[in-house]
Amino acid sequence: DTGVSQDPRHKITKRGQNVTFRCDPISEHNRLYWYRQTLGQGPEFLTYFQNEAQLEKSRLLSDRFSAERPKGSFSTLEIQRTEQGDSAMYLCASSPTGLAGVRSEQFFGPGTRLTVL
Amino acid sequence: GENVEQHPSTLSVQEGDSAVIKCTYSDSASNYFPWYKQELGKGPQLIIDIRSNVGEKKDQRIAVTLNKTAKHFSLHITETQPEDSAVYFCAASKARNAGNMLTFGGGTRLMVKP
Repeated sequence: DTGVSQDPRHKITKRGQNVTFRCDPISEHNRLYWYRQTLGQGPEFLTYFQNEAQLEKSRLLSDRFSAERPKGSFSTLEIQRTEQGDSAMYLCASSPTGLAGVRSEQFFGPGTRLTVL
Repeated sequence: GENVEQHPSTLSVQEGDSAVIKCTYSDSASNYFPWYKQELGKGPQLIIDIRSNVGEKKDQRIAVTLNKTAKHFSLHITETQPEDSAVYFCAASKARNAGNMLTFGGGTRLMVKP
């Protein structure tokens, strides 16, 4: 399977614990995105990488959230001191660099569902 | 920032009928409008997209129309089948030097009754 993969698919944790999710984008896709999706809502943008550089962060990404893409390949999203409000599906997407002015399709992974008790 | 509204939130149709989902956006600079289908337990899957230099695009049973003046775009599914049942999301983004952040609508749950 050459699609976007995410690990784990499900995570249950207690409030106050730290969690880390991993995303493996489609090979050679240099753009990688993180979104959060709560039940019954559309995905909301969190952050974006161009290769290893984190170029944009949403206001939704509080200080407890940190994302990395150290070698421009896989990415991790860490949430420290989890709160019940962090319960959501965390989606990763990747896309190739398009031509200037042409926007590229984003391919989504299956997501990691986080439940904070 | 961009705001995308989507209607209806739920839509039930009989197999073989057509389904139409409508979205409006607020930022006139937006120029890329994809539609995603999300099945239970899966990530969103792109089904069709349209750019602002085009008014309509069709792919088999699926079509999308865009009215830039009114800032709205619609998804049309003809000859619906039970496997079309899913949640559909519209999204919008604008050309930027870095990235292609998508702003999504709230979703439409489509149910196709056999």
